[in-house]
Amino acid sequence: SQTIHQWPATLVQPVGSPLSLECTVEGTSNPNLYWYRQAAGRGLQLLFYSVGIGQISSEVPQNLSASRPQDRQFILSSKKLLLSDSGFYLCARTSGQGIGYTFGSGTRLTVV
Amino acid sequence: SQQGEEDPQALSIQEGENATMNCSYKTSINNLQWYRQNSGRGLVHLILIRSNEREKHSGRLRVTLDTSKKSSSLLITASRAADTASYFCATSNSGYALNFGKGTSLLVTP
Repeated sequence: SQTIHQWPATLVQPVGSPLSLECTVEGTSNPNLYWYRQAAGRGLQLLFYSVGIGQISSEVPQNLSASRPQDRQFILSSKKLLLSDSGFYLCARTSGQGIGYTFGSGTRLTVV
Repeated sequence: SQQGEEDPQALSIQEGENATMNCSYKTSINNLQWYRQNSGRGLVHLILIRSNEREKHSGRLRVTLDTSKKSSSLLITASRAADTASYFCATSNSGYALNFGKGTSLLVTP
């Protein structure tokens, strides 16, 4: 099983509050893990990816950070949320390059 | 970064008809993938076609790839209401990440 667990499914947070979204994955060890954000009516924007524990690559400079404390755990964080952080956040995994991704069910974040 | 561009943005057909969606991209790729997203859900991988392949089939899905034109098409034959979803193409070059387009919204009415 390559299942991905994401929670919560929905989240409403005030501007300036912190954020922590967690993603845990099952299946083969040492997966590549990804955080994508999808704004309304738009495609997916890659935020971070990780090829191993403690290894984080940032694709877009922004108000967010990511960490990978364990092989199958990927966390997206913010110290102070902005209105522009609202969106649908998706965690994904793949076991290598050139292979289809498995996505989690996503977290709908609304910053108010 | 966003590379794929799907066309049309929205498509409405009746059950039993075929649905064709197109994807254009800008730079060289290793492979191109198609995903489906039901409303408010995560994406589901449908099919992957490598840069040295021209056509691939999976059930009612047929994907073509023309690297000279930097374009791909996804054909869904004999559409069903359950095919209603957004469809995204995504390209992969030498890096780890996929670059997604904005998607085609498909509505299949009974």
